[in-house]
Amino acid sequence: DAKTTQPTSMDCAEGRAANLPCNHSTISGNEYVYWYRQIHSQGPQYIIHGLKNNETNEMASLIITEDRKSSTLILPHATLRDTAVYYCIVIGGMRFGAGTRLTVKP
Amino acid sequence: DTEVTQTPKHLVMGMTNKKSLKCEQHMGHRAMYWYKQKAKKPPELMFVYSYEKLSINESVPSRFSPECPNSSLLNLHLHALQPEDSALYLCASSKYASGGIDEQFFGPGTRLTVL
Repeated sequence: DAKTTQPTSMDCAEGRAANLPCNHSTISGNEYVYWYRQIHSQGPQYIIHGLKNNETNEMASLIITEDRKSSTLILPHATLRDTAVYYCIVIGGMRFGAGTRLTVKP
Repeated sequence: DTEVTQTPKHLVMGMTNKKSLKCEQHMGHRAMYWYKQKAKKPPELMFVYSYEKLSINESVPSRFSPECPNSSLLNLHLHALQPEDSALYLCASSKYASGGIDEQFFGPGTRLTVL
C-alpha cells in the first residue's frame, strides 16, 4: 500500500496562499490522491482528489507532479478558519497518514 | 440532506457495560465506515461496509461489533471495552462501494470514555 509523507506543521499568513506538500513515492498507477482536513474536534472534511491531472474546486487546487510521486494542495487565500490538520491520502482514500497541522496567522 | 449524524455525542461507560453507537445517513450512499481517533492522532480505519455487507475489518478486537441493518444505518456495538478504547469514534459514508473514486462524508463523532 502506498504511504504518504507530509510536514508535521506549517504556518501561513492570513490572505496568502498556503501550499501543503505531500510525498507519495510508492503510489500505484490507479491510486488517487485525496485531501481532507480536520478542524479541531470535528469530523474530517473532504477537500479535493485527483489522479494525474491538476484539479481545482471552490476550496482548493491540487497539483500532482508528472511522475505522481508528490502533490501539493494549494489554498489560494488562507483565512483563520483554514487552521486545521490537513491529510493527504492514497489507498482508496480510506487510510489516513499523520497529516500537516496548518496554522493561519493574522 | 447531505449530512451524517452520530448519536450519542458523548458516552461514558464502564468496562462491563454494553453500549451501542449509531450512525445514520440519508444520501443514498452505499458504503459506510467506522474510524477510531485517539487524541492528536489521525483517524484509524476500523470497518467498511459495502452494500450492507462487511467488506473490510482492520483486525479490530471482537469487543467491537459492527452492524449495518439497512443502507442508511450503521451501528457499532461495544462490550467489555478497556480504558485504552477511549477515543473519538467517527462514522463516514460514500456514494460508491469501498475503494470507489468519491469523497467520504464524515459525522461529528462520538466521544467515548471507558472507565
